[in-house]
Amino acid sequence: AQSVTQLGSHVSVSEGALVLLRCNYSSSVPPYLFWYVQYPNQGLQLLLKYTSAATLVKGINGFEAEFKKSETSFHLTKPSAHMSDAAEYFCAVTRSGAGSYQLTFGKGTKLSVIP
Amino acid sequence: GAGVSQSPSNKVTEKGKDVELRCDPISGHTALYWYRQSLGQGLEFLIYFQGNSAPDKSGLPSDRFSAERTGESVSTLTIQRTQQEDSAVYLCASSLARRDTQYFGPGTRLTVL
Repeated sequence: AQSVTQLGSHVSVSEGALVLLRCNYSSSVPPYLFWYVQYPNQGLQLLLKYTSAATLVKGINGFEAEFKKSETSFHLTKPSAHMSDAAEYFCAVTRSGAGSYQLTFGKGTKLSVIP
Repeated sequence: GAGVSQSPSNKVTEKGKDVELRCDPISGHTALYWYRQSLGQGLEFLIYFQGNSAPDKSGLPSDRFSAERTGESVSTLTIQRTQQEDSAVYLCASSLARRDTQYFGPGTRLTVL
């Protein structure tokens, strides 16, 4: 079984400040990990994904995440927040082996950017 | 190219009525998924289709929920005798193959009065 824990249902940062959204996972097999973003009244958009290649993954809109097996973490960062980053962010996990199709999501973190 | 589309975007129904939600996947995508997003439960997997294989229905919450997909095209999710707890956003996603990135549609917001 897999699970995802996102620490902090709501995070506020000032425009230009570092964004750090935390995600810890639990998986009995090597995982594939994802970050999705959801803007109001829209579907989910993939930001980045980890599939066992490089542990530092770069995504769209200046976001990146680092897979740390020892900490079972996959935290999302961006050096400088922009107003347009205000949205809800979801971390998700799926198995890398057989039956690896369904995504298990965290509860989400709503990011507010203060001008 | 066109993304995943879903219809209707909003649906308001009365308790006890049946509803049908539609998903048009990205052309050429063999895998299709339905998820539900609700305030209490977050994002939950419902059902998965892969080509002509038997679907994985393990996430369907009750036998009032069913889904169909014809080949590698449109899918419909049917909820019979709707209950207020069925109120949620129903999201559809498709991927090129089973392990590939899932691309999501905008969702159908269902409100059961």
